[in-house]
Amino acid sequence: DAGVIQSPRHEVTEMGQEVTLRCKPISGHNSLFWYRQTMMRGLELLIYFNNNVPIDDSGMPEDRFSAKMPNASFSTLKIQPSEPRDSAVYFCASSLQGTNTEAFFGQGTRLTVV
Amino acid sequence: QQQVKQSPQSLIVQKGGISIINCAYENTAFDYFPWYQQFPGKGPALLIAIRPDVSEKKEGRFTISFNKSAKQFSLHIMDSQPGDSATYFCAATGTYKYIFGTGTRLKVLA
Repeated sequence: DAGVIQSPRHEVTEMGQEVTLRCKPISGHNSLFWYRQTMMRGLELLIYFNNNVPIDDSGMPEDRFSAKMPNASFSTLKIQPSEPRDSAVYFCASSLQGTNTEAFFGQGTRLTVV
Repeated sequence: QQQVKQSPQSLIVQKGGISIINCAYENTAFDYFPWYQQFPGKGPALLIAIRPDVSEKKEGRFTISFNKSAKQFSLHIMDSQPGDSATYFCAATGTYKYIFGTGTRLKVLA
């Protein structure tokens, strides 16, 4: 398996634009996580899906952020409108069964909002 | 209740020395305590993990010590090598939660 695949690897956008980050989890995994990593705040859990259903989105910073998982092999994280303070590395991770097991991370998307 | 506190923020160790990173949690519902290693430009990868029914787990040069009553756990890296230079994250997980510490930047001097 190729692991968790995220795209794009790098994204530079202007403030106010819509940004969509994409994730393909490992085949057969039923849990998916979106994290945001910054120097100041470390790895923050944004949202957790189990069997394609959003279970906990309490980490989503505000209404500008939304995430979907239309099927078991694809998820998106959308920011609309984007702001400079959204600049960070966004990671997607998947696990075989819930939260009490290993999470496999993608390579991340480095987002820069200018 | 959902935080995981990690220390130190950064650590410099001589080659061959012991690196120790500490974490503390508050939520007693957490039931899986992994450590992840992250190299620049890469996503975190699982290094070693422990469940609360044991007090210690060793894999090669890496050992987790777990103190359930104190709600603390630590990572010990024996015989630290320059290749161990990375950022290390502890995590605590439970139902619907997978919470990471803030990370420790380890530099092992040759």
